[in-house]
Order: sequence, then C-alpha cells, then structure tokens
Amino acid sequence: AQSVTQPDIHITVSEGASLELRCNYSYGATPYLFWYVQSPGQGLQLLLKYFSGDTLVQGIKGFEAEFKRSQSSFNLRKPSVHWSDAAEYFCAVVLRDDMRFGAGTRLTVKP
Amino acid sequence: DAGVTQSPTHLIKTRGQQVTLRCSPKSGHDTVSWYQQALGQGPQFIFQYYEEEERQRGNFPDRFSGHQFPNYSSELNVNALLLGDSALYLCASTPGTTYYEQYFGPGTRLTVT
Repeated sequence: AQSVTQPDIHITVSEGASLELRCNYSYGATPYLFWYVQSPGQGLQLLLKYFSGDTLVQGIKGFEAEFKRSQSSFNLRKPSVHWSDAAEYFCAVVLRDDMRFGAGTRLTVKP
Repeated sequence: DAGVTQSPTHLIKTRGQQVTLRCSPKSGHDTVSWYQQALGQGPQFIFQYYEEEERQRGNFPDRFSGHQFPNYSSELNVNALLLGDSALYLCASTPGTTYYEQYFGPGTRLTVT
C-alpha cells in the first residue's frame, strides 16, 4: 500500500546543532516530494519540493533535502538550527494526483 | 496579498449538528483543496474544487460536502457531526489543479462535544 513514513515523532536538538528529519515513502513509482512546516496555530508553509533532476534540493529558511531513490527517502536537513525552527514538520508525496502527508515530526530546540 | 484566509478561527458544535467552514484562496488561485488534520496527525485530503466542481475526493463520507463560488472561494459543510470530526480543517489554494505550489490557510479548529 502507498504510504509516507516519518519515523521520528519528536526530535530535540540544541540551537546551532545540525538537523536531519527522515521521510520514507512506499510507492510503485517516484512521487513528487514535499516538506512543509507548521508552527503552532498556523497553517502549513512549503519549505521545498522535488519533482525531478538534481537530487539535492534547496529550500527556504536554510533547509535542504536529498532524494535517494535507492532508499525511497527524502530527508530534510539544516546545518545549524535556530530557536525559531521549533515547529512541526511534515513530509508529503503526490503521485497521480493522490496527495498524502506523513504524521509529522515535532522539533524542539534547546537553548 | 492576504494569502489564504479561513473563517471562523474556532468553532464548537454539538454532535448531530451541521457546520459550514469558509475559505478564500490566495489572489490568482482558482483551485481550493480541503484537509482534515486530527490532533497529532498529518493532514488528510478531503476534496478539491476547481471551476465550481468537485474534481477529486479523498476517503471521506458523504457527510462532508463542499462548494466553490464564482469568485473561487469555497465552503466545507459537515452534516451530522461526530465527536471524531473534531480537528483542524485546513484550506489550501493553487493556481490550477496541481499540488505543486499549495498555499495553506491558518485553519479552522472545530470541536465537537
């Protein structure tokens, strides 16, 4: 069955440390891939997307993600986390007009 | 540009009642999608409206219905509310029927008691 998995429900990192949030998908073909961020009481904001081409994608707010076809993964990274990055992060996939979100990873940033 | 706006912000209803949520898309966008986000979960696609018609629907019962107006704004109606309908309802708009550049509103928090 088609699915999107974010294995980490909650991650805590120190401010200034690097960050990697994991996303795996289970589809028969490569879907379009997205990362969204949701701050408390807010809607979702698109961080970056991958359709094809270069497997390393740059997004807003200093985020990047790497698509690895062999691992069916699209992990989100940031080299140095800021306190304002504390939020919920969602991976999403679209294949043939079927859009699905992962359950999300909550990021806490320690001072 | 006001972006995607939704009203009301919060709503409390009783089981069995009906509710209408509203969404105004971002300027220049003609397609509206609705999502349900239960607490602690990712958004789930309800349906998408384009040219005043339901173009695509997720796995939601017929109690969930919608409408799109000529100015592209949209309504989500839920009949015979259940406790399990308590969630954040998100509206997203796009220019055209793709999901590639979705802009989300802040959502309407519905509580069913």
